[in-house]
Amino acid sequence: NAGVMQNPRHLVRRRGQEARLRCSPMKGHSHVYWYRQLPEEGLKFMVYLQKENIIDESGMPKERFSAEFPKEGPSILRIQQVVRGDSAAYFCASSTLGDDTEAFFGQGTRLTVV
Amino acid sequence: GESVGLHLPTLSVQEGDNSIINCAYSNSASDYFIWYKQESGKGPQFIIDIRSNMDKRQGQRVTVLLNKTVKHLSLQIAATQPGDSAVYFCAENIGGAGGTSYGKLTFGQGTILTVHP
Repeated sequence: NAGVMQNPRHLVRRRGQEARLRCSPMKGHSHVYWYRQLPEEGLKFMVYLQKENIIDESGMPKERFSAEFPKEGPSILRIQQVVRGDSAAYFCASSTLGDDTEAFFGQGTRLTVV
Repeated sequence: GESVGLHLPTLSVQEGDNSIINCAYSNSASDYFIWYKQESGKGPQFIIDIRSNMDKRQGQRVTVLLNKTVKHLSLQIAATQPGDSAVYFCAENIGGAGGTSYGKLTFGQGTILTVHP
């Protein structure tokens, strides 16, 4: 049973470009969470999605960031017009149910904005 | 012993020693707590969890203690091994607006554990 798959593992973008990060949850998981981790810090919650629904986006920056989890295919975290401050590791986690169940994390996508 | 490093707290121990990693949480409404291990370049790996109606839970070589009075969580690792070297994070589940808790976690700062052979 494959774990949470994220791609790409490393992504380099120039300032002003768009970054697309993909997350395929574990088989049977319908809940996806995105987190951001800056160097030497803990993970910060960004958004919680179920299939075709955004449940909680309280941690998402108001501009340039968006997320989706379509009926078919992976969840996508999209960052438009990237800036240097967007450089971070972005982790996706998935779980079977929403309530108090273990969330499994992917290996992350390390975004570098040059 | 434990010391505060330049960025993250650090703990250095000898192989075979017991390790204790501490965490303070801020939200008294949190009802679910998890310890994660993160190795360099990897995602967080679940170690052990505990619900707020418990004060102790044991796993294989690990024990989590929860003190709700002072909002303190600790992770004890018995017979620490070099493979235990990593950054350890505590995380708390704050729950959703509708009163149903889900996997929205608030992570602590993290502690770097270094195990010397």
